[in-house]
Amino acid sequence: KAGVTQTPRYLIKTRGQQVTLSCSPISGHRSVSWYQQTPGQGLQFLFEYFSETQRNKGNFPGRFSGRQFSNSRSEMNVSTLELGDSALYLCASSRTGDVNTEAFFGQGTRLTVV
Amino acid sequence: AQSVAQPEDQVNVAEGNPLTVKCTYSVSGNPYLFWYVQYPNRGLQFLLKYITGDNLVKGSYGFEAEFNKSQTSFHLKKPSALVSDSALYFCAVRGNNRLAFGKGNQVVVIP
Repeated sequence: KAGVTQTPRYLIKTRGQQVTLSCSPISGHRSVSWYQQTPGQGLQFLFEYFSETQRNKGNFPGRFSGRQFSNSRSEMNVSTLELGDSALYLCASSRTGDVNTEAFFGQGTRLTVV
Repeated sequence: AQSVAQPEDQVNVAEGNPLTVKCTYSVSGNPYLFWYVQYPNRGLQFLLKYITGDNLVKGSYGFEAEFNKSQTSFHLKKPSALVSDSALYFCAVRGNNRLAFGKGNQVVVIP
């Protein structure tokens, strides 16, 4: 069974640009969550989608957005990039997103903003 | 709001010795607790979870965790550490469709 796939693995962007990251969940999983990981802030929750609906959102500015498609694949977009957006962005999928289900993570997209 | 705390930044242990990584939690209601491990430049790998039932939970790669309600703790343990266990370990609590993570513990197993 294929795991969570994130593309691209590495990305270098310039300040002010925008970026789109992609996540393909494990087959049959309908919940997709996104997290930002930085050395200073650790793992921070961005948002969670289930059946194309955003169910929860973390404390990030509106420059961070996401969506989920009917096949459960998800994308997140960051507009007007800032240096501080440099991070490892992790996507996680779970069957339902319920509290008793574990989430499985992809390998992440390493975004560097220069 | 639910949260977890991992009080130590780094845990050093000799190969073959027992390994313990500490985690305490704060939740309103029932706790749903998880441990993940992260190797360099990789995503997080699920190790084990506590939902309900036995306080001793067994997981992957020989790891186990002990849930203690009175001390609000969920410590990760391994009886005999391997050099390959050197990694970053995260405790997390689940609720509101999200995982809230601790800051992580770097585990260094010394040969």
